Amino acid sequence: ETGVTQSPTHLIKTRGQQVTLRCSSQSGHNTVSWYQQALGQGPQFIFQYYREEENGRGNFPPRFSGLQFPNYSSELNVNALELDDSALYLCASSSGVGRDEQFFGPGTRLTVL
Amino acid sequence: GENVEQHPSTLSVQEGDSAVIKCTYSDSASNYFPWYKQELGKGPQLIIDIRSNVGEKKDQRIAVTLNKTAKHFSLHITETQPEDSAVYFCAAHASSNSGYALNFGKGTSLLVTP
Repeated sequence: ETGVTQSPTHLIKTRGQQVTLRCSSQSGHNTVSWYQQALGQGPQFIFQYYREEENGRGNFPPRFSGLQFPNYSSELNVNALELDDSALYLCASSSGVGRDEQFFGPGTRLTVL
Repeated sequence: GENVEQHPSTLSVQEGDSAVIKCTYSDSASNYFPWYKQELGKGPQLIIDIRSNVGEKKDQRIAVTLNKTAKHFSLHITETQPEDSAVYFCAAHASSNSGYALNFGKGTSLLVTP
């Protein structure tokens, strides 16, 4: 167990809706990264937050947005859901920018109908 | 951007045999290469990693080798056990304008049969 928790474990939404996913980082970690893992694929980087600021972003549209809170927990928000957004969303925490090791939570399985 | 390729996509071995998974990367600036094990219904678990100033690293039955010149790195599992069955992912660390993103391969599904 990494100490990274995510909620909810799974949820079902319909196309066009909005969703918020939550992540609590491992104790002592101040950096959170979000990844999308489609079925049968490797995780793809969405963005990273360090001390409440976005620190880098992958090739995802602006309808994917995030927040990090003073306690270093984080949210991923996705607006105007599309069918292709169906995936496992993973949160990973690390002990700081420049600290390479990233430890993943169990993920949230999102299904868009 | 960084491109990580991983082979094979599936691998079946008998218990006690060795398993080798290979990855190549494209960005010569990459300097950190972790390996993750993902079991069904769980998030990826970091099992071993290597940095570009090291050519080989071993942890019990698991070892990783890195060839910076050829831009490839490999995971070696010896004396495989049924509980080693899982999907394994290699990744490379790109620290350019994408923050500290990990770029993953597509995974290798390893099956260890008793």
